Amino acid sequence: EAGVAQSPRYKIIEKRQSVAFWCNPISGHATLYWYQQILGQGPKLLIQFQNNGVVDDSQLPKDRFSAERLKGVDSTLKIQPAKLEDSAVYLCASSMTGVTDTQYFGPGTRLTVL
Amino acid sequence: QQQVKQSPQSLIVQKGGISIINCAYENTAFDYFPWYQQFPGKGPALLIAIRPDVSEKKEGRFTISFNKSAKQFSLHIMDSQPGDSATYFCAAHKAAGNKLTFGGGTRVLVKP
Repeated sequence: EAGVAQSPRYKIIEKRQSVAFWCNPISGHATLYWYQQILGQGPKLLIQFQNNGVVDDSQLPKDRFSAERLKGVDSTLKIQPAKLEDSAVYLCASSMTGVTDTQYFGPGTRLTVL
Repeated sequence: QQQVKQSPQSLIVQKGGISIINCAYENTAFDYFPWYQQFPGKGPALLIAIRPDVSEKKEGRFTISFNKSAKQFSLHIMDSQPGDSATYFCAAHKAAGNKLTFGGGTRVLVKP
């Protein structure tokens, strides 16, 4: 079974630029999550989708971050404009249905904002 | 607001020794407690999980101990191996909101 795919793996941008990350979850997984993992900290949930609907985006900085999941499969996370404090690894995860089903994580995208 | 506190931040153990990582939570609404293992450059992977109606769960060399009254749980890695060197995260799930809250992580180094 193929795992969660993410791209790009690394991205370096200047502050105030925009950036987008892509995630392809495990086939058949209805729930998709985007997490932000700052160096030395645990993952923090940014947004959770159930199929193509948003379940929770309470910790998403909506003034600069946006996410979508078209057709309930792939998802993109965008930051515009980026700030220095956005430097982190952005992890995508998916699960079959609910949160207590195992969450499978992708390798993440390491973002550096200069 | 740190709802799950994890300690220590790092630990070094000799091969064959026992690694112990502790977590404490505040919200009694948490109903499921998984542990994740993360290697450098990889995403976290589920290691073992426990529900609060069970005091202990063992899978191979990994054991979770759960103390509901103290609102604490811990991961024990028995007979630690160099391949266990990784960062370990505890997490807690709350049915209301249906999401996981992670601890800050513990970097474990097993010396051969």
